[in-house]
Amino acid sequence: GQQVMQIPQYQHVQEGEDFTTYCNSSTTLSNIQWYKQRPGGHPVFLIQLVKSGEVKKQKRLTFQFGEAKKNSSLHITATQTTDVGTYFCLYSGAGSYQLTFGKGTKLSVIP
Amino acid sequence: NAGVTQTPKFRVLKTGQSMTLLCAQDMNHEYMYWYRQDPGMGLRLIHYSVGEGTTAKGEVPDGYNVSRLKKQNFLLGLESAAPSQTSVYFCASSYFGLAGEEGYNEQFFGPGTRLTVL
Repeated sequence: GQQVMQIPQYQHVQEGEDFTTYCNSSTTLSNIQWYKQRPGGHPVFLIQLVKSGEVKKQKRLTFQFGEAKKNSSLHITATQTTDVGTYFCLYSGAGSYQLTFGKGTKLSVIP
Repeated sequence: NAGVTQTPKFRVLKTGQSMTLLCAQDMNHEYMYWYRQDPGMGLRLIHYSVGEGTTAKGEVPDGYNVSRLKKQNFLLGLESAAPSQTSVYFCASSYFGLAGEEGYNEQFFGPGTRLTVL
C-alpha cells in the first residue's frame, strides 16, 4: 500500500530561522495539497501541486513537488511567530481518489 | 457566507450513549467529509459524500454512520459511543473532488467538535 511519511514530526526554530517540512512517498502521487492548522483552529488550504517538478511561492513560503512526484516540501524563509502551527500534506496516489493526510509537522517559533 | 459550520462545539458523552454531529455548508459544495483528529495521528477520514443521497467509507468508518439527505448538510452519528471515539471531529466540504488536470479542489473545514467519551 501507499506509504507517505511526513517529517519531521516537530520542529522548534528561533524566529528568523528557516523551516522545512517534507512529505515523502514510496509510490507516485497524483497531486499534493498543503494545509496549515493554527493551535486550536482548523486546517486551512495553502496550495496544491499537480505537475512534476512544480515550484510555487507564496511570500515567504515555497512549495515543491519532486520530479518523480514522490516527494514534496514546504519551506518557510525567516520564520515569524505567526507561522506557528501544524502543517499537513494531503495526497492521493496515482489513479486513486482516496485522499489521505500526512501526520503533520508541528512548528514552534521561539521569539 | 458562514462557510462550514459544525454543531455542537463541545460534547461529553458516557459510554454507550448516542449522538449526532451536524455539519452544514452554504457554498453549494458537492463533496463533504468527516475527519477525526487525534494527537500524533493527523486527520483521518471517517466517511465522505460525493453528493446528496450518497455516502462512502473512509479510512476509519467503524462505529460511525452518516447521512446526506440534503446537499448542504452532512450528519455523523455515533450509535454507541466508546472512549476510543474521544477526539476532535472536523467536517469539510469541497466544490468537487476532482478538478481535472488541476488536481483536486481545496477543502474548506469547519471549526471542529471536541467530543469526550467517559
